[in-house]
Amino acid sequence: GQQLNQSPQSMFIQEGEDVSMNCTSSSIFNTWLWYKQDPGEGPVLLIALYKAGELTSNGRLTAQFGITRKDSFLNISASIPSDVGIYFCAGQLTSGTYKYIFGTGTRLKVLA
Amino acid sequence: GAVVSQHPSRVICKSGTSVKIECRSLDFQATTMFWYRQFPKKSLMLMATSNEGSKATYEQGVEKDKFLINHASLTLSTLTVTSAHPEDSSFYICSAGGTGRVGTEAFFGQGTRLTVV
Repeated sequence: GQQLNQSPQSMFIQEGEDVSMNCTSSSIFNTWLWYKQDPGEGPVLLIALYKAGELTSNGRLTAQFGITRKDSFLNISASIPSDVGIYFCAGQLTSGTYKYIFGTGTRLKVLA
Repeated sequence: GAVVSQHPSRVICKSGTSVKIECRSLDFQATTMFWYRQFPKKSLMLMATSNEGSKATYEQGVEKDKFLINHASLTLSTLTVTSAHPEDSSFYICSAGGTGRVGTEAFFGQGTRLTVV
């Protein structure tokens, strides 16, 4: 099935450090979403982006909708142990619907 | 945000039997819901779109006779894994969006871990 390229695949960081991850596609999307998934749970929505160039924050999280509409970035500032998990980007397959395809995921591990 | 609930959260079944998984939107109505499958340490793969009152739309490579989807009301979609085999063991997750909302964010259920023995 179709997937978005997400990098890095995994990362270990020290508590307090900032984290960056990105998602790229060969297709243009009208909406980008970022999710966090804990083991054995469903993804939880973190940030939604609707316009090219848009920069949106949610607490320590900041995400940007790339100007080309083919990429998106998520930054986490001052990471804490509970940031551990898998982060997924999702691109809206059909405009105006709730149908999305997902990135390959970034597994984050925070060292206290 | 919108609340989506899945049931059961875990199920173990014998090979050859069928298993039904429910996805409910608790505080909104959903004309469409989506079913995903996730293998260990992998991403979510879209299986099908569940359409209220009509047939589901399946992604390429997904067997519609194996994964039966019914969306009989605006708050409930069911996925039935028929004649289950060990290779059907996986984490199944549904998503939905509310009607009449400005945004098109998809909200997910907590997932169902299916183990076929």
